[in-house]
Amino acid sequence: EDKVVQSPLSLVVHEGDTVTLNCSYEVTNFRSLLWYKQEKKAPTFLFMLTSSGIEKKSGRLSSILDKKELFSILNITATQTGDSAIYLCAVGATSGTYKYIFGTGTRLKVLA
Amino acid sequence: GAGVSQSPRYKVTKRGQDVTLRCDPISSHATLYWYQQALGQGPEFLTYFNYEAQPDKSGLPSDRFSAERPEGSISTLTIQRTEQRDSAMYRCASSLGGSETQYFGPGTRLLVL
Repeated sequence: EDKVVQSPLSLVVHEGDTVTLNCSYEVTNFRSLLWYKQEKKAPTFLFMLTSSGIEKKSGRLSSILDKKELFSILNITATQTGDSAIYLCAVGATSGTYKYIFGTGTRLKVLA
Repeated sequence: GAGVSQSPRYKVTKRGQDVTLRCDPISSHATLYWYQQALGQGPEFLTYFNYEAQPDKSGLPSDRFSAERPEGSISTLTIQRTEQRDSAMYRCASSLGGSETQYFGPGTRLLVL
């Protein structure tokens, strides 16, 4: 059965810290991996990863995919209180469907 | 439209009633997804549409759940004979195509009493 596991489940850090969030997966015929940030409203898109070893970067956030070891990490440097959110990882497969499987998320709290 | 919209934003209903939730995707988007999200969990796939076709409805929990997208734009999710366990946030997302980034709507929070 396809599955996506995120770790840690929750994390509390202080402003300025660097955090690394993990997403590991088991899917048949991997297609892509998506990262989302969810605050109180809808999840907002961060990154889409399809190729191994190519880092995607947006400001203080970056992400990379390892298709051999079946995981991705999301790094946030110099964290700010506005980074507090649930970070969701989703994986899509190419097995005749375009559905995505989401992990349960990592709840990040950044203290001032 | 500018983004994905959903209505109603909140719905309270009594057990046994039918409810219909609506999703209005981004206008150029061919693919539309429905998810159920319980508190503290990630979204769980229900079904998706490619225009009006519904290639995968494997995530629908029972035959009480059905979805339509008759003209390939607006979609509805209907839950018949609601049960308390149906209480959740129902999220819609759309994308240009099946392999593209999904953009989520604000969700409909359903409470079944």
